[in-house]
Amino acid sequence: QKEVEQNSGPLSVPEGAIASLNCTYSDRGSQSFFWYRQYSGKSPELIMFIYSNGDKEDGRFTAQLNKASQYVSLLIRDSQPSDSATYLCAVDRGGGFKTIFGAGTRLFVKA
Amino acid sequence: GAVVSQHPSWVICKSGTSVKIECRSLDFQATTMFWYRQFPKQSLMLMATSNEGSKATYEQGVEKDKFLINHASLTLSTLTVTSAHPEDSSFYICSARLTGRLNEKLFFGSGTQLSVL
Repeated sequence: QKEVEQNSGPLSVPEGAIASLNCTYSDRGSQSFFWYRQYSGKSPELIMFIYSNGDKEDGRFTAQLNKASQYVSLLIRDSQPSDSATYLCAVDRGGGFKTIFGAGTRLFVKA
Repeated sequence: GAVVSQHPSWVICKSGTSVKIECRSLDFQATTMFWYRQFPKQSLMLMATSNEGSKATYEQGVEKDKFLINHASLTLSTLTVTSAHPEDSSFYICSARLTGRLNEKLFFGSGTQLSVL
């Protein structure tokens, strides 16, 4: 079982729609959860981070965390073509500083 | 925000040569830096954790004699790919975390695309 699992996609949504990206993780001791966006050939850039159960909103982005279900998601409202990228879910291993990444979900927003 | 500088951005080398990649934290001290490798359309794979003043901690399956890591100062970590072969061609990315900070995001370098002919 992979430590961090994501659907590889591609996920295709029309412009203006809500894109929903999901991620599950295996280490129950994980403390911190991150969503990164990565364009082809570039390094990841942080979109959201969340530590507590529930929702966290930042502009068009909402991160949701459910530690009991070991599930974290990212919602992108009013999706734009510029949001087209690979979204990486990342989890800090419990008790340490190591950040483990999922394989990423490719998102296409159609104009 | 904190800046991590990585050089070179890309390198092409012949099989059998060694390649050194530098990762610098420009405006903060980083006792710990991380090296990742990413193959096309795959995720970032943690290779090793670089610790200032001590030996790096390698992930399972990563050859420490092939991927030499040196973290001689609080702002510089280097990764040397020794005797590189075509299968080592990949995107290498370093990252750093603010010293002593838990629940803190990683700051990434811009990555190095290595192509071994």
